[in-house]
This record gives sequence, structure tokens and C-alpha cells, in this order.
Amino acid sequence: GAGVSQSPSNKVTEKGKDVELRCDPISGHTALYWYRQSLGQGLEFLIYFQGNSAPDKSGLPSDRFSAERTGGSVSTLTIQRTQQEDSAVYLCASSFGPVSTDTQYFGPGTRLTVL
Amino acid sequence: SQQGEEDPQALSIQEGENATMNCSYKTSINNLQWYRQNSGRGLVHLILIRSNEREKHSGRLRVTLDTSKKSSSLLITASRAADTASYFCATVRLSNAGNMLTFGGGTRLMVKP
Repeated sequence: GAGVSQSPSNKVTEKGKDVELRCDPISGHTALYWYRQSLGQGLEFLIYFQGNSAPDKSGLPSDRFSAERTGGSVSTLTIQRTQQEDSAVYLCASSFGPVSTDTQYFGPGTRLTVL
Repeated sequence: SQQGEEDPQALSIQEGENATMNCSYKTSINNLQWYRQNSGRGLVHLILIRSNEREKHSGRLRVTLDTSKKSSSLLITASRAADTASYFCATVRLSNAGNMLTFGGGTRLMVKP
């Protein structure tokens, strides 16, 4: 079946604008994760969903970042009033369940550039 | 924040040689995983080793785990040009409610034909 998909693949925005990044997980996967990868910070966890709820938002860097998941499927990561330090590749992953050994399957990422 | 360090940061070898990458981490873990990334985009899961395991094999990959030293190594035998990529270790912590991955800094591997 299809893997994890993300859109857009690239997004260029101006400082201060809001952006929405979308993730379509693998069908049937209940767990969904957002990570970001930047030159300065490497790969870092942002938020985790189990179903539609987010029991762990500890990685969100500021209150400008929010995410939701609807229908236990699609997730949207929203960044308000973007800053240049938000420039990064945003990666989404899904896994079948919350078991610690469940493999996380990653999407291709959205490269965000804030000018 | 990153869990730990990987070394070397970059590794260049000839096709056919073995490549060894090391990873250290800081906290108690449930398991440790290795991922591969091509061209700075999606990550591909390679292998998982549980905290009660010491060694695991998958094809040309061999992973070791030393929980007393909080370290792991990934060995790729008989490397190929197609193995050129970045390799990351990632840990799932013992007390994780959500099993999120904490990544190391990665090793950039170049295999010359």
C-alpha cells in the first residue's frame, strides 16, 4: 500500500506568515509523529498523536506551533507568524500502534524556507 | 534535543570495504534503532535492537548494543556505492509514553565505486 505522504514538498514563505503542513499516514496506523530536521538542531521530536489525541506535545518549540489530527488519519502542523529559525525539513511518521517496537515509517518531508 | 553523539560524523570508504558507525546515548532505553536517510529527506528504518539484546543481524547489517556503556555500533559489510547516505541511530526511552524517537547527530557515509 501507499506510504506516508506529506504536502507540500517545499514551501517558501515570508517571515510573519502562517503555514500549514499536511501529513497523510499509512492507512490503519494509529500513532503519528512530527519531527523536524535543521542544520543547527539535527532531528528533533515535535509532537505525538495516538488516534486524535496528542498525549505528548513536549517537543513543540513555542506556542506558535500547533497540530491537530482528525478522523484518526490526516494531521496538520500549523506554524503561526513564521520566523527564519523555523526553516527546516518537517518530517511526519506513522506506526501501527503505540508499542515501543512498532516501526515508524517516515514521509518524504516538507522543506520549509522562511525568508 | 539530541540523545547523544554519533561518530564519525563523516566516513569515506571504497566499495567492498566495511563501514562502522558508532552511537552513544544518555538515558535508559527500551530499544535502539538505526535509520538511513538519502538526500536529506525521508528516513528509512533499517534495524531495531532491544535493550536486552546485545547483537543483531540483518543481511549485510550488524548492530551491537552495550547498555552498560550506553553505546551501539552499526556495521555494514561489503559496502556498495548505493549505501552512500546518512545513517542515524535513534532511541526509544524506557519511560516513553509515546515511543518518540530521539536521534543522534548522524554519520554521513560515502562509498566510492
